[in-house]
Amino acid sequence: NAGVTQTPKFRVLKTGQSMTLLCAQDMNHEYMYWYRQDPGMGLRLIHYSVGEGTTAKGEVPDGYNVSRLKKQNFLLGLESAAPSQTSVYFCASTRSGGQSNQPQHFGDGTRLSIL
Amino acid sequence: SQKIEQNSEALNIQEGKTATLTCNYTNYSPAYLQWYRQDPGRGPVFLLLIRENEKEKRKERLKVTFDTTLKQSLFHITASQPADSATYLCALDNTGGFKTIFGAGTRLFVKA
Repeated sequence: NAGVTQTPKFRVLKTGQSMTLLCAQDMNHEYMYWYRQDPGMGLRLIHYSVGEGTTAKGEVPDGYNVSRLKKQNFLLGLESAAPSQTSVYFCASTRSGGQSNQPQHFGDGTRLSIL
Repeated sequence: SQKIEQNSEALNIQEGKTATLTCNYTNYSPAYLQWYRQDPGRGPVFLLLIRENEKEKRKERLKVTFDTTLKQSLFHITASQPADSATYLCALDNTGGFKTIFGAGTRLFVKA
């Protein structure tokens, strides 16, 4: 089992460019999440999904969109990248039933730089 | 305001000693608290979960305590080893929704 796989691992964009980050999990988990991690700050939730075809906003959703067309995949899109979106992006999944008593399984992140 | 705080300064200890990391929170009433390990360039890995009605939880050399009166969790690694060097994150559930709140983490260095 690969667990949670994120692609790409690194990317450099110019301001205004768009891109999509892909997250795939092979654990048949219902819930998936996108976080960003910045120096000195905790992981911040961008968007999450409680099942195929559903998405919801997290703490810092502005400038991002997501889609969950298939249960195993959760895509994070940046329509017009800004330098403030330079960060490390992590995808996570949980089996079911909300986050609070479920261990989260994380991918190894996408390091994104916006110039 | 709501806060979850971990010591931002790195903790340096000698191999074989017990490492103790602190997680304090303000204006939350979590039912659960989790601890994760994060190595450089990797995603966090789940270690332990403790419920509000549990005072202490152990797993091999790891021990977590949860004091809802002090609003604090302590994470202990006994007989520490250089391989324990990593950043340790605490996380609590925000009972208002599907949100787990993460601390910024404490970096632990264990010297041989």
